[in-house]
Amino acid sequence: KAGVTQTPRYLIKTRGQQVTLSCSPISGHRSVSWYQQTPGQGLQFLFEYFSETQRNKGNFPGRFSGRQFSNSRSEMNVSTLELGDSALYLCASSSLGPRVLHEKLFFGSGTQLSVL
Amino acid sequence: ILNVEQSPQSLHVQEGDSTNFTCSFPSSNFYALHWYRWETAKSPEALFVMTLNGDEKKKGRISATLNTKEGYSYLYIKGSQPEDSATYLCAPNNAGNMLTFGGGTRLMVKP
Repeated sequence: KAGVTQTPRYLIKTRGQQVTLSCSPISGHRSVSWYQQTPGQGLQFLFEYFSETQRNKGNFPGRFSGRQFSNSRSEMNVSTLELGDSALYLCASSSLGPRVLHEKLFFGSGTQLSVL
Repeated sequence: ILNVEQSPQSLHVQEGDSTNFTCSFPSSNFYALHWYRWETAKSPEALFVMTLNGDEKKKGRISATLNTKEGYSYLYIKGSQPEDSATYLCAPNNAGNMLTFGGGTRLMVKP
């Protein structure tokens, strides 16, 4: 069974640009969540999607958005990039969605975004 | 926003030593506590998901306990090996799949 796949692996952008990151969950998983990892803040929750609906959202500005498609693949978009958006962005999938709170997450390898 | 604290921040041990670290979290609205191991250049990997007060889980040389009334969990590694070197993250789950991660404990095991 293939794991969680994130593309691209590395990305370099300049301030003011926008970026789209992609995440393909494990086959059969319907919940996809996104996290941001920075050295100073650790892993922080961005948002979670289940069956194409955003179910939870973390404390991030509106420049961060996402969506989920009918095949459970998810994309995350960051508009008007700032230097502070440089981070590792991880997505994670789980099989049963937010109503099953003890379901473990399966993480992808992440997209390393550098904003210059 | 939950306040999740892990201690120590980092730990250096010799191969064969046993070690343990702590995760503290608010005890209200608790549903589950996750432990993940994150090795350098790899993805975080789930170790345990614990839900009940007094729960104990074991996976090989690694075990964990949970106290939901006082809001803490311990992770133990018996006879540490160099391959145990990683950052260990805990995260309580209080709403859906929205995990709030602690800062992690970085373990380095010297051969």
